[in-house]
Amino acid sequence: NAGVMQNPRHLVRRRGQEARLRCSPMKGHSHVYWYRQLPEEGLKFMVYLQKENIIDESGMPKERFSAEFPKEGPSILRIQQVVRGDSAAYFCASSPQVQNTEAFFGQGTRLTVV
Amino acid sequence: AQRVTQPEKLLSVFKGAPVELKCNYSYSGSPELFWYVQYSRQRLQLLLRHISRESIKGFTADLNKGETSFHLKKPFAQEEDSAMYYCAPYNTDKLIFGTGTRLQVFP
Repeated sequence: NAGVMQNPRHLVRRRGQEARLRCSPMKGHSHVYWYRQLPEEGLKFMVYLQKENIIDESGMPKERFSAEFPKEGPSILRIQQVVRGDSAAYFCASSPQVQNTEAFFGQGTRLTVV
Repeated sequence: AQRVTQPEKLLSVFKGAPVELKCNYSYSGSPELFWYVQYSRQRLQLLLRHISRESIKGFTADLNKGETSFHLKKPFAQEEDSAMYYCAPYNTDKLIFGTGTRLQVFP
C-alpha cells in the first residue's frame, strides 16, 4: 500500500491562473480530507469528502475553491484565479469507512503564487 | 465555538529532561483526542490516541475532562523527539488541529 499520494509536490502559479491539486487516498479508504497550512499557522480544515459526495465544506473559502472526489480517480482540490494569499501547503488525508479511525496524511503540495 | 488550543509555539529542552506539551479543548460532547507528529521532511503521522491508552515512543497523554486538557508527556526527552506536535480532537466528522508546538531537544 503506497500510502496517500499527493501531486504535484510543488506547484508554482502566476496570479490569476488555476491550481489543481490531486490526492489519491490509500487503497480501501473512502474518506478524504483536505487541510491548508499557512506559514506559522497550524492545519486548517477545508473539506471532507466521500466518493462523489461533499460531506462537510465548512472550511472552504466561499469563492474560487472547489473540491471533488469522483467515483474513479483521485480527489481534486481546485483553486481558480489564484492570489498571493493562496500560497500555502495543502495536505490531504484519508481514512477507512469507519469513522473515528486514524487519518493517514500525504506529503502535501506546496503552492506558491507569484 | 469548538476550539483546540496549544499555547506554546516552541518548547526547547535538553536531552533527558521531562517534556509536557499542552493541549486544551472546548468541545461539546465527548470528542476523541489524538496527538499527531511531523518529523522533519516526513508526513504527518499519528502518535497516539486517548482511547487506546497506550504509550508510544515513551509518550503518554491523559484526558482530563474536568480541565478539558489532553497534555502530551514524556519523562526523558530524546534528540529524535524533535518535531512538530499537533493535538487534534475528532468531533462529528473530522479532525480539528491545534496550531502545533515545535519541540526542540538539545544534546
